[in-house]
Amino acid sequence: ILNVEQSPQSLHVQEGDSTNFTCSFPSSNFYALHWYRWETAKSPEALFVMTLNGDEKKKGRISATLNTKEGYSYLYIKGSQPEDSATYLCAFGAAGNKLTFGGGTRVLVKP
Amino acid sequence: DAGITQSPRYKITETGRQVTLMCHQTWSHSYMFWYRQDLGHGLRLIYYSAAADITDKGEVPDGYVVSRSKTENFPLTLESATRSQTSVYFCASLAGTGVRFTDTQYFGPGTRLTVL
Repeated sequence: ILNVEQSPQSLHVQEGDSTNFTCSFPSSNFYALHWYRWETAKSPEALFVMTLNGDEKKKGRISATLNTKEGYSYLYIKGSQPEDSATYLCAFGAAGNKLTFGGGTRVLVKP
Repeated sequence: DAGITQSPRYKITETGRQVTLMCHQTWSHSYMFWYRQDLGHGLRLIYYSAAADITDKGEVPDGYVVSRSKTENFPLTLESATRSQTSVYFCASLAGTGVRFTDTQYFGPGTRLTVL
């Protein structure tokens, strides 16, 4: 069973502040690292898919970086807004197109 | 264009009863998946299917049965429900050909199952 860990489990951010959190995954047999955004009472929605060491992806105020050699990815939220409140999941892509998800980081942006 | 749907959205059942959760997708995606949401574990894979009549176990398959006679449907059956199977269940399907690990999974709205 692959070990994918996210930290912290939750964080509170003041509106306008920037924040970041971590996903760690096995550095061997790497295929892809996915990030999903999951709002309460909704379905997870894909944010990014990254495959190459050093990859950086950006979508609006949210960006992500990838280090496959050391097995971690950072997700950054710049100038957090209340609508950024959600659980952010990372998932390690493995053979057979299976995803192993981390436990998620729950972000609450306070106005 | 409904995409991927799940039914029922909410279900309450009793220990020992058989329950079937339905998943239907309109995209003709080859791959389909069933996950359960567990506190601290995010989403855990129960079963997946690469095509009609092809299914395989995920991380937590015990107590569950799946079938896939048609590409668009992927029902999940709890043969004899237990309290530990109380959870939110998500179905997902995979875009593209399924051979690239970068393909995005699209999730259904979830089924909240309570086993009393």
